[in-house]
Amino acid sequence: IAGITQAPTSQILAAGRRMTLRCTQDMRHNAMYWYRQDLGLGLRLIHYSNTAGTTGKGEVPDGYSVSRANTDDFPLTLASAVPSQTSVYFCASSDGPNTEAFFGQGTRLTVV
Amino acid sequence: GQNIDQPTEMTATEGAIVQINCTYQTSGFNGLFWYQQHAGEAPTFLSYNVLDGLEEKGRFSSFLSRSKGYSYLLLKELQMKDSASYLCAVRDSNYQLIWGAGTKLIIKP
Repeated sequence: IAGITQAPTSQILAAGRRMTLRCTQDMRHNAMYWYRQDLGLGLRLIHYSNTAGTTGKGEVPDGYSVSRANTDDFPLTLASAVPSQTSVYFCASSDGPNTEAFFGQGTRLTVV
Repeated sequence: GQNIDQPTEMTATEGAIVQINCTYQTSGFNGLFWYQQHAGEAPTFLSYNVLDGLEEKGRFSSFLSRSKGYSYLLLKELQMKDSASYLCAVRDSNYQLIWGAGTKLIIKP
């Protein structure tokens, strides 16, 4: 059982370029989330999806977009990367609102 | 605004006991989670409290007081592998997780 998989593991990206971070889960969880983690700050929610076909904005959605075409996949797109988007990005999923979230291994993104 | 407070860093000795505190102010409360995160890795779930009191799970216990907006994670018989960051998170009235910045725990021999 793979759980939740993110790709790529790390990436160096030129400012202004478009980039999609991939996230796939095989646990059939309804809810999925994208967080960024920066030094000294807690995990901050970028976007979420409570079920396939629906998405919502989190705390820091600007510059990011998501889609949820099916239960398993939840890609995060940076339309035009900026250096402030340098961060570690975690995808997570949960079976419901009162259950724990399972995290992918993270994507370390550097925008230069 | 919503706020989760934890100490930034703590140091403890192998074999000892350590208590990591978390205080919160959120719009609504639908449970509190503790996660462990080793450096360079993903957070992993440790415990969940939704009612007041102590939840024990092996060497780890978690306590919640909703009236005080307070929780702690208690780690007993510390091992070197317990060196990690410990993240406190509260699920608010919209069922979104609000995260603390984490407490880095350093274990010394």
